[in-house]
Amino acid sequence: GQNIDQPTEMTATEGAIVQINCTYQTSGFNGLFWYQQHAGEAPTFLSYNVLDGLEEKGRFSSFLSRSKGYSYLLLKELQMKDSASYLCAVMDSNYQLIWGAGTKLIIKP
Amino acid sequence: NAGVTQTPKFRVLKTGQSMTLLCAQDMNHEYMYWYRQDPGMGLRLIHYSVGEGTTAKGEVPDGYNVSRLKKQNFLLGLESAAPSQTSVYFCASRSAGASTDTQYFGPGTRLTVL
Repeated sequence: GQNIDQPTEMTATEGAIVQINCTYQTSGFNGLFWYQQHAGEAPTFLSYNVLDGLEEKGRFSSFLSRSKGYSYLLLKELQMKDSASYLCAVMDSNYQLIWGAGTKLIIKP
Repeated sequence: NAGVTQTPKFRVLKTGQSMTLLCAQDMNHEYMYWYRQDPGMGLRLIHYSVGEGTTAKGEVPDGYNVSRLKKQNFLLGLESAAPSQTSVYFCASRSAGASTDTQYFGPGTRLTVL
């Protein structure tokens, strides 16, 4: 079966760094996406990785290791507005997205 | 551009009632999707469309029907609502460029079936 695992909830302090992990087992791989979803709102695109390595975009970076079926999202200089759920999704061999349940990130002052 | 819009935003139904959720996009996207999101679970694909006049089943299609008569609209129908269909429904669209293009989501419809 297909499976995406990520922690249910994480807590971090404003100004700090947090790493959200995602492991996956899917039928085929055509890339991994990270989305941000604030409570009561729609998911919005953050990053896309298809090759191994680190992709940096401002305060957010995303890493992929295809051999390990592993990705992480790194958030630096945390701000209160980063409090949200972070969704990991893998595009499978049929080019459909398989979604994790999301990691709720709580930022404390 | 409004992006992806959904109507209604909220709805309460009684078991057995029917309703249609409307999704509209103004980005000229070929692909459109309907997902449901339940607590503790990832987004699950209900149905999708790769172009006007085409539809296909996703992971959880039972109890739902869809139509894509116009490129910009994707309708999701519940013929006989059940409490198990209480959920938040999201519509998404993407271009037909690269298969890995990002999906853009609508604001969601919160449906409660009593």
